[in-house]
Amino acid sequence: GQNIDQPTEMTATEGAIVQINCTYQTSGFNGLFWYQQHAGEAPTFLSYNVLDGLEEKGRFSSFLSRSKGYSYLLLKELQMKDSASYLCAPMDSNYQLIWGAGTKLIIKP
Amino acid sequence: DVKVTQSSRYLVKRTGEKVFLECVQDMDHENMFWYRQDPGLGLRLIYFSYDVKMKEKGDIPEGYSVSREKKERFSLILESASTNQTSMYLCATLRQGAATEAFFGQGTRLTVV
Repeated sequence: GQNIDQPTEMTATEGAIVQINCTYQTSGFNGLFWYQQHAGEAPTFLSYNVLDGLEEKGRFSSFLSRSKGYSYLLLKELQMKDSASYLCAPMDSNYQLIWGAGTKLIIKP
Repeated sequence: DVKVTQSSRYLVKRTGEKVFLECVQDMDHENMFWYRQDPGLGLRLIYFSYDVKMKEKGDIPEGYSVSREKKERFSLILESASTNQTSMYLCATLRQGAATEAFFGQGTRLTVV
């Protein structure tokens, strides 16, 4: 079956760095998305990785290892507004996004 | 900027009512999706469509139907609303190619009483 595993909740301090891990099993693979979702709002796009390696975009970076079925999202210089849920979503061979339950990130001053 | 617009932000309906949730996109994307999201669960796929008049069942289609008569509009229909369909409903489109990305509408929070 298809499965996504990411931590339910993480806590970090303002100004620090946090890494959110995601492991996945899908039927085929066409890339992996990371989305940010604030409470009561729709998800917003952060990154899309289709090849192995690290992609950096400002304070956010995303890493993919296809052979290990593993990705992480790295957030640097954390700000209070980064408090949100972070959703990992690989895309399978039918171009369906498979969604995990998300990681709720709590930022403390 | 791609825009995905859902017809209502909040809805309250009575048990047994027929409910229509509308979704319109302005970027000519072929792929459109309807999800529901409940606390502690990931987004669950209800139905999707790859083209006009085409529809495919997702993981939880029971109690729902869809309509795609025009490329830009994808409607979700609750034939007879029940309290267990109280949820956040999210419509999305998928852009594929050089800049692959899924775009979401603002969501409709439906309460069935």
